[in-house]
Amino acid sequence: QVQLVESGGGVVQPGRSLRLSCAASGFTFSNYAMHWVRQAPGKGLEWLALISYDGSNKYYADSMKGRFTISRDNSKNTLYLQINSLTIEDTAVYYCARVGASSWSWAWLDPWGQGTLVTVSS
Amino acid sequence: DIVMTQSPDSLAVSLGERATIHCKSSQSILYSSNNKNYLAWYQQKPGQPPKLLIYWASTRESGVPDRFSGSGSGTDFTLTISSLQAEDVAVYYCQQYYSTLSFGQGTKLEIK
Repeated sequence: QVQLVESGGGVVQPGRSLRLSCAASGFTFSNYAMHWVRQAPGKGLEWLALISYDGSNKYYADSMKGRFTISRDNSKNTLYLQINSLTIEDTAVYYCARVGASSWSWAWLDPWGQGTLVTVSS
Repeated sequence: DIVMTQSPDSLAVSLGERATIHCKSSQSILYSSNNKNYLAWYQQKPGQPPKLLIYWASTRESGVPDRFSGSGSGTDFTLTISSLQAEDVAVYYCQQYYSTLSFGQGTKLEIK
């Protein structure tokens, strides 16, 4: 079945960097655009970034530009999110999600991974 | 950026009754060339990721019970649960995909 599994979260000090991974299975990863979305504790969903199916196009939420880098390795069926200069406000569950239709980059998201928790604390 | 605003923030409905959640976009998300509204609805239960319910504003995802329905066009949309079941307690989010992605703030649905 289609599955996304995030990893790489944990407790990290402010100012440090972190790379999150999302392992995909059950579908042809290289055919789909992928997204990252985060959710701060007790808060709503915040879209972060998109990468096209082949990695040639990347888009970021305005507030994330500069510190976040999305990438993918289609040979490993894996999506990544590099976050630099972490702040307390980056504390959240980070979800990877597949776009709902292979011919689209901007669309509904389905499925979502279970998420990985990033806690920024000194 | 398109801002999505949901109402109410929270809602308590009796079992078997109708629940209605509203979502308003700051600009039209109806694409004239295909006459489609670029809107999706999600359900999120505690400790779980969001689950897709509806896309194109009114197309129900496979496996979603038919008590869930979506309607609306342009800037105003509605998610309706026709007969609330206990398992429907969750937070519901709308999301537009007309211009990048953005989500509503969420509506918490509880049993009265």
